[in-house]
Amino acid sequence: QQQVKQSPQSLIVQKGGIPIINCAYENTAFDYFPWYQQFPGKGPALLIAIRPDVSEKKEGRFTISFNKSAKQFSLHIMDSQPGDSATYFCAASVAGNQFYFGTGTSLTVIP
Amino acid sequence: DAGVIQSPRHEVTEMGQEVTLRCKPISGHNSLFWYRQTMMRGLELLIYFNNNVPIDDSGMPEDRFSAKMPNASFSTLKIQPSEPRDSAVYFCASSFGGIANVLTFGAGSRLTVL
Repeated sequence: QQQVKQSPQSLIVQKGGIPIINCAYENTAFDYFPWYQQFPGKGPALLIAIRPDVSEKKEGRFTISFNKSAKQFSLHIMDSQPGDSATYFCAASVAGNQFYFGTGTSLTVIP
Repeated sequence: DAGVIQSPRHEVTEMGQEVTLRCKPISGHNSLFWYRQTMMRGLELLIYFNNNVPIDDSGMPEDRFSAKMPNASFSTLKIQPSEPRDSAVYFCASSFGGIANVLTFGAGSRLTVL
């Protein structure tokens, strides 16, 4: 059973576009929601994270929107660049343990 | 710090052989996680350790898989006997713990079972 459901599986946008990746969860005990970025041949690396007591968090061109009542959260990449081309994973955890990852979204930003 | 170090980076073996993947976590981190990544299932948590003790191994697919953490600086994931469906990238990650936990992943071990 997938604890965190992620969509879309792949995404292609033009440079400057705003790709949006969505995730949904069921377990209301989750209290930490990070996003990880993975480049080919590398391990995932933390990109940005949010706690459920805020509805939005922004770091540079990356923004997480969080809807606690709908149990959904999403990643927005402003002014996307070819260097943002990577696989993005959403995740959720309880008290920092047992991270559950989504299935990943392969993003391609076309120059 | 050199980060989380995994070996081997690539392993090609034949069905039925024993495979041992190794991981050296970041010094000072007290939690260690083993994940398996495939196209179909994404990142699956296999097992995690806290202070060298296995806390949850419910993600280990079957008895052919075993993991150990004999000390704070070393962990192994063993598959015996290996099968073609075990082909995947296996990641080790470590963390310091706490609510806002940050997992630091190794570069992964790509396993191909023929």
